[in-house]
Amino acid sequence: GAGVSQSPSNKVTEKGKDVELRCDPISGHTALYWYRQSLGQGLEFLIYFQGNSAPDKSGLPSDRFSAERTGGSVSTLTIQRTQQEDSAVYLCASSQGGGRGETQYFGPGTRLLVL
Amino acid sequence: AQKVTQAQTEISVVEKEDVTLDCVYETRDTTYYLFWYKQPPSGELVFLIRRNSFDEQNEISGRYSWNFQKSTSSFNFTITASQVVDSAVYFCAFPVNAGNMLTFGGGTRLMVKP
Repeated sequence: GAGVSQSPSNKVTEKGKDVELRCDPISGHTALYWYRQSLGQGLEFLIYFQGNSAPDKSGLPSDRFSAERTGGSVSTLTIQRTQQEDSAVYLCASSQGGGRGETQYFGPGTRLLVL
Repeated sequence: AQKVTQAQTEISVVEKEDVTLDCVYETRDTTYYLFWYKQPPSGELVFLIRRNSFDEQNEISGRYSWNFQKSTSSFNFTITASQVVDSAVYFCAFPVNAGNMLTFGGGTRLMVKP
């Protein structure tokens, strides 16, 4: 079946603008995760959804970052008032039930560049 | 603290050489899981293997093999007869926070030259 998809694949924006990144998980997967990959910080966890709820938002770096998930499927990560340090690849992953040690399958990522 | 360390930041080999990528982890949990992912130049993280702490048997899949040793907290990955297509960044990862969040090692960039 289809894997995790993300859009856009690339996004260039100006400092101060808001951006929305979209993730479509594998069909039937109830757990969805957002990570960020940047040169200086490596791969960092941002937020985890189980269904439409986000029990773990511990990785969101500031209140400019928010995420939602609707219908237990598509998720949107929103960054308000973007800063240059937000430039990174944003990766989405999904797993079947979100249980301990489940395999997370990743999408191709969205490359965000803030000028 | 629970963390994963990949001490090798970059490895360069010539095609057909064998290469081992090291992964060392720290945890206080008695039950845990470990993962390896591959990130080719295209950027997508590709799942390679998941192991749980109950199973210390070595795993072999084609040219890939994994050596899990609880005694040394290591989960090393060997590619036999490397090929140019193996060139990628390889990440070892470890779920924390009740298993939801993956914490990744810094990654090892493998370059296989023809």
